[in-house]
Amino acid sequence: GAVVSQHPSRVICKSGTSVKIECRSLDFQATTMFWYRQFPKQSLMLMATSNEGSKATYEQGVEKDKFLINHASLTLSTLTVTSAHPEDSSFYICSAGRGQETQYFGPGTRLLVL
Amino acid sequence: ILNVEQSPQSLHVQEGDSTNFTCSFPSSNFYALHWYRWETAKSPEALFVMTLNGDEKKKGRISATLNTKEGYSYLYIKGSQPEDSATYLCAPPQGGKLIFGQGTELSVKP
Repeated sequence: GAVVSQHPSRVICKSGTSVKIECRSLDFQATTMFWYRQFPKQSLMLMATSNEGSKATYEQGVEKDKFLINHASLTLSTLTVTSAHPEDSSFYICSAGRGQETQYFGPGTRLLVL
Repeated sequence: ILNVEQSPQSLHVQEGDSTNFTCSFPSSNFYALHWYRWETAKSPEALFVMTLNGDEKKKGRISATLNTKEGYSYLYIKGSQPEDSATYLCAPPQGGKLIFGQGTELSVKP
């Protein structure tokens, strides 16, 4: 299957700072990438669909000004958590694929906001 | 949003045991069902994509069946091994995206 990397794997930051997470498809061109968040003991919750060269589509309840997504190339999408607060602490994971087809996941990023 | 339920939430078995768990989803407007396996500290890995009622797919000791009329899929693992320990997720697509169940966390003790 395709390989997707995610960086960093773990980040600790102070409240009020912004954190950028990168998601890269290493061996294929991904026109669409997805960003998920996982709360403890819960499922993967889709936050937004990232489309190369256009604006991301956010799911209901996800603040677009809080979670900035940029998909400037066919191999890279970034998620920036702006002015992070402790409640933003979570596990964030990206995937690449075509909508309803098989998606290829990165290994995830554990964010802890102090 | 689709309601996807997986049961049990967690399962502890001994090495060599066979096991199975369930994914339930709305049967109307069925398109496909994905199964993923997610080992700790690794990326979720696609196992199967199932599309036809009565489908049965197999990958090594893991197999899955699909009943689209009643809205469920079973995942079976024959002769569980410690390396099968993982969370198994199912996901039917809706509106161009995958809707994940909560997962079944399987732990296989040697």
